[in-house]
Amino acid sequence: SQELEQSPQSLIVQEGKNLTINCTSSKTLYGLYWYKQKYGEGLIFLMMLQKGGEEKSHEKITAKLDEKKQQSSLHITASQPSHAGIYLCGADPTTSGTYKYIFGTGTRLKVLA
Amino acid sequence: EAQVTQNPRYLITVTGKKLTVTCSQNMNHEYMSWYRQDPGLGLRQIYYSMNVEVTDKGDVPEGYKVSRKEKRNFPLILESPSPNQTSLYFCASSLQGLNEQFFGPGTRLTVL
Repeated sequence: SQELEQSPQSLIVQEGKNLTINCTSSKTLYGLYWYKQKYGEGLIFLMMLQKGGEEKSHEKITAKLDEKKQQSSLHITASQPSHAGIYLCGADPTTSGTYKYIFGTGTRLKVLA
Repeated sequence: EAQVTQNPRYLITVTGKKLTVTCSQNMNHEYMSWYRQDPGLGLRQIYYSMNVEVTDKGDVPEGYKVSRKEKRNFPLILESPSPNQTSLYFCASSLQGLNEQFFGPGTRLTVL
């Protein structure tokens, strides 16, 4: 079965610093979702990537799906305390032939003011 | 306001006492899903529903039941809860199976 591995598991950065979170799949990704979760709350959709090499940006967050479609990266530029939370990647369920979603275990981000 | 609501938000119960966690969405979404989130294990899908009367198992369905009698509601039923079902539960919905999901606020369940 497909698995998503995220790295790092946790990250502490100083405000203003750039950072990158990676999501690596054990199988080819046909679509990759990024979500953000504030501690103990529901997930908020950030972006969806479908094509190899595709890159999307929203405010200071950029996500990319590599050409081989087995890894995605999420890059935050000039981090702010509002970026703190848990970032999760999720795989398009059609990779499994069903509508089952899988998610990575998440990356906890803390931004120091 | 478009939203997914869950009730209750917090629940402490005892082993074996049947309980239901409700989930409702007001966006006319076809796809609904239940997840549980546990430290170190991430978010795992319990059950999902493609539409009314159409449900299927996710990765961790044991000990849970669901039903989808109406499009807006997707309750999660624990017939005989056990301590290993202590977790944070999320309901989510999307327009169809391949769209972004909207998540509810979560239900924190403790089974003693």
